[in-house]
Amino acid sequence: GENVEQHPSTLSVQEGDSAVIKCTYSDSASNYFPWYKQELGKGPQLIIDIRSNVGEKKDQRIAVTLNKTAKHFSLHITETQPEDSAVYFCAATLSGSARQLTFGSGTQLTVLP
Amino acid sequence: NAGVTQTPKFQVLKTGQSMTLQCAQDMNHEYMSWYRQDPGMGLRLIHYSVGAGITDQGEVPNGYNVSRSTTEDFPLRLLSAAPSQTSVYFCASSYEVGPNDEQYFGPGTRLTVT
Repeated sequence: GENVEQHPSTLSVQEGDSAVIKCTYSDSASNYFPWYKQELGKGPQLIIDIRSNVGEKKDQRIAVTLNKTAKHFSLHITETQPEDSAVYFCAATLSGSARQLTFGSGTQLTVLP
Repeated sequence: NAGVTQTPKFQVLKTGQSMTLQCAQDMNHEYMSWYRQDPGMGLRLIHYSVGAGITDQGEVPNGYNVSRSTTEDFPLRLLSAAPSQTSVYFCASSYEVGPNDEQYFGPGTRLTVT
């Protein structure tokens, strides 16, 4: 089955700086890679996703890059704000089938004012 | 739309007791799933369903049962609770077909087994 490793487990940045979270996956057949943000006491919420036919995707201050050859993908948050503080999870799966999302272990991001 | 709802929010059980965690969605999603979240381990899939009457096991199914009699509801049953089942449980739903793969998560149920 799929295995997803996520680093770092904790990340502290100054407000306005950039944050990068990296994930690697094991199954070369995986073709859908979502990122979820989980605020304290809430369920995870999708913030951005990327499919294997795309190398990069941006949405305002958030971007995700995918390197299929190396089997890794990264989340980039620019101009960080205190409200970006949360736990971020990467995941990987085969989309379009009986999907079983495999999640990374999570990154606690703290944006210091 | 209420989205995905879960009840209860908190529950304390004694070892050996049984209970059902409720999950409902009002988005007419075909795909529903249950995850457990433990510190440092991310979310792990327990069971999932691709439609009414169809369920299958995920990564960590032991100790849990599910059924899907309607599109809206997907309850998770613990038949004999064990301390190892202390965790936060999330239900999620999504469209099974089409390009939209976003999973919508409920607010979670925090379960403690003593």
